[in-house]
Amino acid sequence: EAGVTQSPTHLIKTRGQQATLRCSPISGHTSVYWYQQALGLGLQFLLWYDEGEERNRGNFPPRFSGRQFPNYSSELNVNALELEDSALYLCASSLTEYYGYTFGSGTRLTVV
Amino acid sequence: DQQVKQNSPSLSVQEGRISILNCDYTNSMFDYFLWYKKYPAEGPTFLISISSIKDKNEDGRFTVFLNKSAKHLSLHIVPSQPGDSAVYFCAASSGNTPLVFGKGTRLSVIA
Repeated sequence: EAGVTQSPTHLIKTRGQQATLRCSPISGHTSVYWYQQALGLGLQFLLWYDEGEERNRGNFPPRFSGRQFPNYSSELNVNALELEDSALYLCASSLTEYYGYTFGSGTRLTVV
Repeated sequence: DQQVKQNSPSLSVQEGRISILNCDYTNSMFDYFLWYKKYPAEGPTFLISISSIKDKNEDGRFTVFLNKSAKHLSLHIVPSQPGDSAVYFCAASSGNTPLVFGKGTRLSVIA
């Protein structure tokens, strides 16, 4: 069974540009979660999508947005990139209302 | 406002000894707790969990203890092995809400 896959593995962008990160959940999982792991800050919750809808949002500015497609894959968009957006972005999937998240390996975003 | 705290950024233990990783939480609504392990260049992987109706859960070498009155949980690894060297994250949830993670503790098991 394929795990959670994220692309790209690494992404380098210039300040002010937009970044798009993609995530494919485990087959059958309907919930997708996005987390940011910045240096020294642990995993910070960004967004939760389930059945195509945004269910919850973390304490991040509106320039962090995303969506979930009918096949349950998801993308995270970060607009007007700032240097402090440099971090590892992790996607996880689960069955709805199940706590056992399965994480992907992440996308390392570097803003220069 | 950090709801899940792992106050020890790092821990070194000799192979074969016990590793004890600690986690404190502030939100009394949390009712489910999990530990994840993370190796470099990989995503976190689920290790063990515990519901608030229990005070202990075991899975092989891993045991999680929950003290609700102290809002404290701990992960015990016995015996510790070099392959256990990783960053360990404590996580908690209340009802149908996304997991809240601590900052992690880097465990180094020395052979």
